[in-house]
Amino acid sequence: EVVLTQSPGTLSLSPGERATLSCRASQSVSSNFLAWYQKKPGQAPRVLIHGASSRATGIPDRFSGSGSGADFTLTISRLEPEDFAVYYCQQYGSSPVFGQGTNLEIK
Amino acid sequence: QVQLVQSGAEVKKPGSSVKVSCKISGDTFKIHTIAWVRQAPGQGLEWVGGFIPIFGARNYAQKFQGRVTITTDESTTAAYMELNSLTSGDTAIYYCAQANLNGLPLFWGQGTLVTVSS
Repeated sequence: EVVLTQSPGTLSLSPGERATLSCRASQSVSSNFLAWYQKKPGQAPRVLIHGASSRATGIPDRFSGSGSGADFTLTISRLEPEDFAVYYCQQYGSSPVFGQGTNLEIK
Repeated sequence: QVQLVQSGAEVKKPGSSVKVSCKISGDTFKIHTIAWVRQAPGQGLEWVGGFIPIFGARNYAQKFQGRVTITTDESTTAAYMELNSLTSGDTAIYYCAQANLNGLPLFWGQGTLVTVSS
């Protein structure tokens, strides 16, 4: 079973700054079935990126995903106040699993 | 617009079972997959299981094997997740999601809080 390890655990930044979140898999993610989600308290998860680098419908272009194989990155180019949340990566497909999350907090 | 509406909060005793429903509207239910994800208090997202036709039968996370059953009813466009032998560790918000053909959860229900307490 693939294990996804996200880093850092907590990221403290200010609005307007750039955020870089990492997701490392214990083995190669098949077909680049790697997604990123945003999770806020009291809300359901919201998919941001799928296929490692494709933005989901309606997601602002300040969100971008990159990577392949076992190393993936979510970048938020200029943080808006509403972007502060917990972010999860997920391998989907035949053996779904989530990373443990990165808490993006206001500095 | 796809909408998923889940059943209400549940309080259960340890050792009992819970069945959460998920009513889907606004799309062709039968060609899509259903996934169930949970989040325990203060914890991260955890895959419970799903029905992903292109990958075969129902797909349950290893830690829930033998304890969880996911079913779908195309006549009522609803999905169900039943979890047995509940412990306090199963206290969580349970989400259903409709996924695309590759199993990517796209549309989510509002979540159902299941509390297990004696």
